[in-house]
Amino acid sequence: AQSVTQLGSHVSVSEGALVLLRCNYSSSVPPYLFWYVQYPNQGLQLLLKYTTGATLVKGINGFEAEFKKSETSFHLTKPSAHMSDAAEYFCAVSDDATSGSRLTFGEGTQLTVNP
Amino acid sequence: DAGITQSPRYKITETGRQVTLMCHQTWSHSYMFWYRQDLGHGLRLIYYSAAADITDKGEVSDGYVVSRSKTENFPLTLESATRSQTSVYFCASGLVSRNEQFFGPGTRLTVL
Repeated sequence: AQSVTQLGSHVSVSEGALVLLRCNYSSSVPPYLFWYVQYPNQGLQLLLKYTTGATLVKGINGFEAEFKKSETSFHLTKPSAHMSDAAEYFCAVSDDATSGSRLTFGEGTQLTVNP
Repeated sequence: DAGITQSPRYKITETGRQVTLMCHQTWSHSYMFWYRQDLGHGLRLIYYSAAADITDKGEVSDGYVVSRSKTENFPLTLESATRSQTSVYFCASGLVSRNEQFFGPGTRLTVL
């Protein structure tokens, strides 16, 4: 069975500071990994995904994540936070790259950006 | 170009009543999903469908029923609503060829 652990349900940073949101996963097969963002009162939007190939993945809005198999991690980073980054972020894992695969989500991390 | 829509956006009902949440997508995506979002649990899969007339249970399917007679619609029915089904419900869709699920705006359901 797959599982995802997001360390820290709430993260607070200052505008311009580094954003680091942590995600560790458990999977019995090579995983496919995703980060989604949810703005208030909206659905989830894909930020980035790792399927195969390069382990450093770049996404929208300046975010990137690195797949580290040895650490079973897929942490999300952004060099400089912007006020508009305030949202809830979800890490998800699947054992299949197709969109028909079943996603297992972490509990989410609420990011607050302080002026 | 509406994409994926859900209705109603907000619903209040009483324990024991039947409730149907609607999901409609305009992309002709083959796969569709229903999730519920609860504090401390993230999103959990209720049901999914690979195509019209093909559905399968997810992690938390008890108390829910789905149907998919047309590719574009995937209604979720709570047969006899309970307070524990108070939640935000998200519908999603996706293509086999894309590594992405597209989410609707959600339905906030309160069961009194």
